[in-house]
Amino acid sequence: DVKVTQSSRYLVKRTGEKVFLECVQDMDHENMFWYRQDPGLGLRLIYFSYDVKMKEKGDIPEGYSVSREKKERFSLILESASTNQTSMYLCASRPRGSGNTIYFGEGSWLTVV
Amino acid sequence: GESVGLHLPTLSVQEGDNSIINCAYSNSASDYFIWYKQESGKGPQFIIDIRSNMDKRQGQRVTVLLNKTVKHLSLQIAATQPGDSAVYFCAENNSGGSYIPTFGRGTSLIVHP
Repeated sequence: DVKVTQSSRYLVKRTGEKVFLECVQDMDHENMFWYRQDPGLGLRLIYFSYDVKMKEKGDIPEGYSVSREKKERFSLILESASTNQTSMYLCASRPRGSGNTIYFGEGSWLTVV
Repeated sequence: GESVGLHLPTLSVQEGDNSIINCAYSNSASDYFIWYKQESGKGPQFIIDIRSNMDKRQGQRVTVLLNKTVKHLSLQIAATQPGDSAVYFCAENNSGGSYIPTFGRGTSLIVHP
């Protein structure tokens, strides 16, 4: 079974803090993604990476950055957390090729106070 | 298409009934489609997929139907159970074009015992 693991399920951070959300997949997938999910807005793509050390902006990259130093790990970084970044963050991975299924992690609930 | 706003479309069924969840997709060039199930507080789980060279695919208790003429996808769940209660959403992908799938907003399925 494909496993995408998000190490932090629930976090509470203060405005202005730097936040790291970590994601690891164990299936040697080339592609990895970070989404945020908000009520009524569905899944919105923040960043994606199609291989190690590669990254591309998604639909809502402002306020976020990413790091992909190893194939299995894709980190999402909030340089200075703000309250409007309170959300559910979902990591996902997929083998190379856009006609393949995306597999999601369990999500990280971030509250910024 | 799916409704805009904070509230998801909702389908309420009785346990044991068959459920049909619909999805209208936007890109006539899309050639790969996936259905996901998302339970409260969890990440989306893959249910079933279908490629555009098929119009029907069956899994365990689930069937996906694809009508390319009207760009419509449906998920049928046989003998719906309380454990099927979740948000279901579809994703479309154009393997020859856009690298990133497009996700629908979802439909909330409520199964009454």
